[in-house]
Amino acid sequence: AQKITQTQPGMFVQEKEAVTLDCTYDTSDPSYGLFWYKQPSSGEMIFLIYQGSYDQQNATEGRYSLNFQKARKSANLVISASQLGDSAMYFCAMSLPRRSISSGSARQLTFGSGTQLTVLP
Amino acid sequence: NAGVTQTPKFQVLKTGQSMTLQCAQDMNHNSMYWYRQDPGMGLRLIYYSASEGTTDKGEVPNGYNVSRLNKREFSLRLESAAPSQTSVYFCASSEKPGASNEQYFGPGTRLTVT
Repeated sequence: AQKITQTQPGMFVQEKEAVTLDCTYDTSDPSYGLFWYKQPSSGEMIFLIYQGSYDQQNATEGRYSLNFQKARKSANLVISASQLGDSAMYFCAMSLPRRSISSGSARQLTFGSGTQLTVLP
Repeated sequence: NAGVTQTPKFQVLKTGQSMTLQCAQDMNHNSMYWYRQDPGMGLRLIYYSASEGTTDKGEVPNGYNVSRLNKREFSLRLESAAPSQTSVYFCASSEKPGASNEQYFGPGTRLTVT
């Protein structure tokens, strides 16, 4: 079964320091995508970063980088130089194909349970 | 360019009442999705529409119906609301159903069923 696991319900980090949020996944499908989303207290879901299963290099987007270790099935998010505005819930998600007669090939996101990050001044 | 919009933002229903959650996107995306988010959990897929004219069930479709009205709009209907459907509902869209289908989310609808 496809599954995403985030084992850290809550994390604290000092402002300006780096933090790693853990994510492991389980799938037998060779083609998948891994995403991280940020959900601030206001509730919206904000896309941060994407890593494809065939990508050779780790994805980076500004202060965000994804530490992709395919053999270990992990896709940890690294936030460098934390800011107070980084305090939020962070979700790891996996994109997998969903094959059906009516919709042909489509993909859905399966989400982990999230990690609440608090940045301390 | 508003992205993904959802109405209403908040709703309180009594058990057994019906309602429709509306979603629209102005990014010309092909695929649209409905998720629910329960406290302390990630989002779970209710229904999705890979392209205009098609809809399909996700992980938790029971108690819901959907309509892909046109390319822009994808509505979610609760025919007979139950307290177990108290949740935050998110609509999302993506350009195409590929591996890198970054999904853009609406602001959510907070639904309470009493």
